[in-house]
Amino acid sequence: QSVLTQPPSVSGAPGQRVTISCTGSSSNIGAGYDVHWYQQLPGTAPKLLIYGNSNRPSGVPDRFSGSKSGTSASLAITGLQAEDEADYYCQSYDSSLSASWVFGGGTKLTVL
Amino acid sequence: EVQLVESGGGLVQPGGSLRLSCAASGFTFSSYEMNWVRQAPGKGLEWVSYTSGSGNVKYYADSVKGRFTISRDNAKNSLYLQMNSLRAEDTAVYYCARTGSGWQNFDYWGQGTLVTVSS
Repeated sequence: QSVLTQPPSVSGAPGQRVTISCTGSSSNIGAGYDVHWYQQLPGTAPKLLIYGNSNRPSGVPDRFSGSKSGTSASLAITGLQAEDEADYYCQSYDSSLSASWVFGGGTKLTVL
Repeated sequence: EVQLVESGGGLVQPGGSLRLSCAASGFTFSSYEMNWVRQAPGKGLEWVSYTSGSGNVKYYADSVKGRFTISRDNAKNSLYLQMNSLRAEDTAVYYCARTGSGWQNFDYWGQGTLVTVSS
């Protein structure tokens, strides 16, 4: 059971827009800690996709965007492309126990 | 270019030990906090351990506390994870990951090394 909750899967046709939710609690996202998103293509290491809730590292297309509100965050992908098919993970920090970086369980994006 | 290259994974029996290494290049290693993150087969990501740039501050996930030890050698630009009393549930790909400057995230990852705990 992950500390952050994500839907197991989402899907969309090429060109469409999809969103992936990430729900936390008052000890992590709701406490003001930033949310970060990672993309993991099949058989590869995770790659930082969004940092600080809504910032894109250099080289990440502006089709990817992030937002945060209250105890939740969202990743939006517009203009879906076949190469976007991957697992997506949200991540934050949790202060409820000893220092702890926490992840969502991951969402598998399928491009139909 | 930032590069992180892990090594040291393999097959080990339950109760055994293994030491993972991560060779870093392309940045001033001692200026960055570092982490180990693991991923069990077909599962999600789990943060395992953190160390400050100097190596003086270390944190561990409850699942590995008392069994794993993180360390670093800034002169050799290397990060280590000593894993003792290994269990089947420690089977995973272990990634070395750099903490993003000013952020509590992981901005660069290695390719990972597979640890399999089985008799």
